[in-house]
Amino acid sequence: GDSVTQMEGPVTLSEEAFLTINCTYTATGYPSLFWYVQYPGEGLQLLLKATKADDKGSNKGFEATYRKETTSFHLEKGSVQVSDSAVYFCALSGASGGSYIPTFGRGTSLIVHP
Amino acid sequence: DAGITQSPRHKVTETGTPVTLRCHQTENHRYMYWYRQDPGHGLRLIHYSYGVKDTDKGEVSDGYSVSRSKTEDFLLTLESATSSQTSVYFCAISARTSGLHNEQFFGPGTRLTVL
Repeated sequence: GDSVTQMEGPVTLSEEAFLTINCTYTATGYPSLFWYVQYPGEGLQLLLKATKADDKGSNKGFEATYRKETTSFHLEKGSVQVSDSAVYFCALSGASGGSYIPTFGRGTSLIVHP
Repeated sequence: DAGITQSPRHKVTETGTPVTLRCHQTENHRYMYWYRQDPGHGLRLIHYSYGVKDTDKGEVSDGYSVSRSKTEDFLLTLESATSSQTSVYFCAISARTSGLHNEQFFGPGTRLTVL
């Protein structure tokens, strides 16, 4: 079946550092890929998405590129802020069969220190 | 923000009692989902719905039932709550857009404690 693997956390950075959170996936067909963010005490919210190979999703300074050849969708940000501290989830949907049931990674906690 | 609410937001109950959680949406989205979130397990799908009165089981459905009698409401029932069902429960909705680009919108969550 489909699966999403994210790097283990927590990831701890100083403010203004460069961020990478790795995400790889296994899926049949041609899924759409997503990054969601969850701030403390809240539900998940969509951060960015990409719907086909080589697409780049971007939002709030975060970027991720859909790499079909490496089955990856790594999240990056050039300069993190304390307010970026949250849990980040990589997800896919739209692979063949069960297209409306997303598959989530386990989440990566990001802690940014001033 | 997508119009999705959950009630109650917090609940403490005792083992063996029935509990019903409500998810309400104002987006007229077709798909609705119930997840639970626990440390070390990420998000796990309990049940989902693909239309009024159309529901199916997710990966952790034992001990839970659902009902959807209207597009806007999706109810999750714990028939006889157990301590292992202590968790944070999230409802999500999605619309079937062109192709398969079904991003989800999540509610604020319900924190349930079973004593």
